[in-house]
Amino acid sequence: GENVEQHPSTLSVQEGDSAVIKCTYSDSASNYFPWYKQELGKRPQLIIDIRSNVGEKKDQRIAVTLNKTAKHFSLHITETQPEDSAVYFCAASKYSGGGADGLTFGKGTHLIIQP
Amino acid sequence: DARVTQTPRDKVTEMGQEVTMRCQPILGHNTVFWYRQTMKQGLELLAYFRNRAPLDDSGMPKDRFSAEMPDATLATLKIQPSEPRDSAVYFCASGLGGNNQPQHFGDGTRLSIL
Repeated sequence: GENVEQHPSTLSVQEGDSAVIKCTYSDSASNYFPWYKQELGKRPQLIIDIRSNVGEKKDQRIAVTLNKTAKHFSLHITETQPEDSAVYFCAASKYSGGGADGLTFGKGTHLIIQP
Repeated sequence: DARVTQTPRDKVTEMGQEVTMRCQPILGHNTVFWYRQTMKQGLELLAYFRNRAPLDDSGMPKDRFSAEMPDATLATLKIQPSEPRDSAVYFCASGLGGNNQPQHFGDGTRLSIL
């Protein structure tokens, strides 16, 4: 089955700086890679996703890049703000016939924005 | 803003008791997923359904866990008998099941087995 590795487990950055979180996956058939943000005691919320036919996707201050050959994808947050502090999870799945399979998640990155 | 609804939000019970968790997917979504979150294992897929049919429950301990979808608006996850190691947050998510449609999570059921 799929295995997703995520690094680092904790990331502390100064407010206004950029943050980068990296993930690798094992199953070359995976073709959908979402990122979720989870605040303490809350549900995971989708912040951005990318499909394997795209190399990069941006949404305001967040961007995701995908390298299919190397089987890794990354989340980039620019101009970080205090409200970006949370745990971020990467995930992978594949589309098989009638729809997407369940997600395999990385272990999460605790992002701390220092004022 | 459509949401996945899960009940109960919190459940505390004693070892050996039956636990039932419920999920109402977003109206029109045909794929329902159950995930479990613990500090040690992180977020794990337990089972999922498409058009009410079970597609994969390989992540679920079969001897004590069961998942069903009695109708399109209700999914259930049962544990019988419950054990302390089942303590976790259980999330339900739903999606359209199309080509890599995003999954939307409910607020979860925080389960504590004493």
